[in-house]
Parts: sequence; structure tokens; C-alpha cells
Amino acid sequence: AQSVTQLGSHVSVSEGALVLLRCNYSSSVPPYLFWYVQYPNQGLQLLLKYTSAATLVKGINGFEAEFKKSETSFHLTKPSAHMSDAAEYFCAVSSMNSGYSTLTFGKGTMLLVSP
Amino acid sequence: DAGITQSPRHKVTETGTPVTLRCHQTENHRYMYWYRQDPGHGLRLIHYSYGVKDTDKGEVSDGYSVSRSKTEDFLLTLESATSSQTSVYFCAISESRGFSYNEQFFGPGTRLTVL
Repeated sequence: AQSVTQLGSHVSVSEGALVLLRCNYSSSVPPYLFWYVQYPNQGLQLLLKYTSAATLVKGINGFEAEFKKSETSFHLTKPSAHMSDAAEYFCAVSSMNSGYSTLTFGKGTMLLVSP
Repeated sequence: DAGITQSPRHKVTETGTPVTLRCHQTENHRYMYWYRQDPGHGLRLIHYSYGVKDTDKGEVSDGYSVSRSKTEDFLLTLESATSSQTSVYFCAISESRGFSYNEQFFGPGTRLTVL
């Protein structure tokens, strides 16, 4: 079965600093991977997705993620944090469940941005 | 934004009472999902549907049932609510293209408190 591990339940950065949120996956087949963001009291919004077309994936709001098969990782980065990036971020992997595709989510990483 | 609404948005109920949450979509997507979100657990799949009257269990289905009589509506029922079902419930939809990938769009959530 597929699974996702997000290292660090909380990550704190200063405004303007590099953002790095870690995600490692386990999958018996070539995976499809996603990053979602959740702002307070809202649903999840897709940031970006990896579907094997390119290993470096660019998403919204200046975020990007690199798929590294050898490391089974899909870390999320942003060169310069903004106060508005403060939110919870979820990594997810596509799984096959009774012949249909579903998503398995990591436990999330809360990003805190200080002035 | 994907046209997904959830009702009610907030509900407080007592242990032992039945509760039904509704998810309504205007996108005509085939797949619909119910998740619960709890601190430290991320999102966990309760049930999903791959068509009208076609549903299957997810990771945490005990104590929950679902129904889908129309493409646009997916109902989640707690037959006899317990305090452990206090959570935030999210509905998601997807127009899965075969088994290639499964990008999901999320509703705004329902906060349920069971006293």
C-alpha cells in the first residue's frame, strides 16, 4: 500500500527565507504525487502535482517540488517566504483501491512565517 | 473554484443521534469522496463513490454510511453519533481519467461536534 511521511509537524521560517517542506513516499508502483495547502477554516487547495511528465514541478504562489525517485521524495520549496504562505501543507500519493484511484495524505506540516 | 458545497457548515449534536451531512457538486464529476480531518492525523478517507449507487469503503469507514442517488449529491450518515466522530468533514470530487491520476477538489468542510 502507498503511504506518505511528512517530516516535521511544524516548520518556522522568517519572511524572505527559503521554505522547505519534506515529503517521502512509499509506493509499489510509479507514483502520482500532490501537494495541497489549507488556509485556516478553509478546504484544501491544490498547489501542484507530479504525473511523470517532468521531475521538477512548478505550482501556484511560487512553490515548486522535485520528484526524486532514488530518494522516494517530493519536497516542496519556495525561495522566499511571504506572510501569506502561513498555512498547513499536505503531501498526498495516489493509491489504487479496489481498482479505483484514491489519495492517501500525509499528516500535514504547519508553516509558520514570522516578520 | 470547483462548485462544491457542504451542508451544514457547522453542527452540534448529542451522542446517539443520527446525523447526515450533504455534499453537492455542480461539476458533473464522477468521483466523490468523504474525508475526516483530525489534528495529527491529516485527512483520512471514510467512503468514496465512483458513480451513482456505486460506493466503497475507505480507511476509517466504521460507524459511517453513504449514499449517492444522483451524480451531484453524496450523503454521509452517522447512524448513531459518538464523541469520537467529532471532527471536520470534507467532501472532495474528481474527474478521474482512467487510472492515470486523481486530482481532487475540496469543499469548504463541515465542523461536527458530538457532545
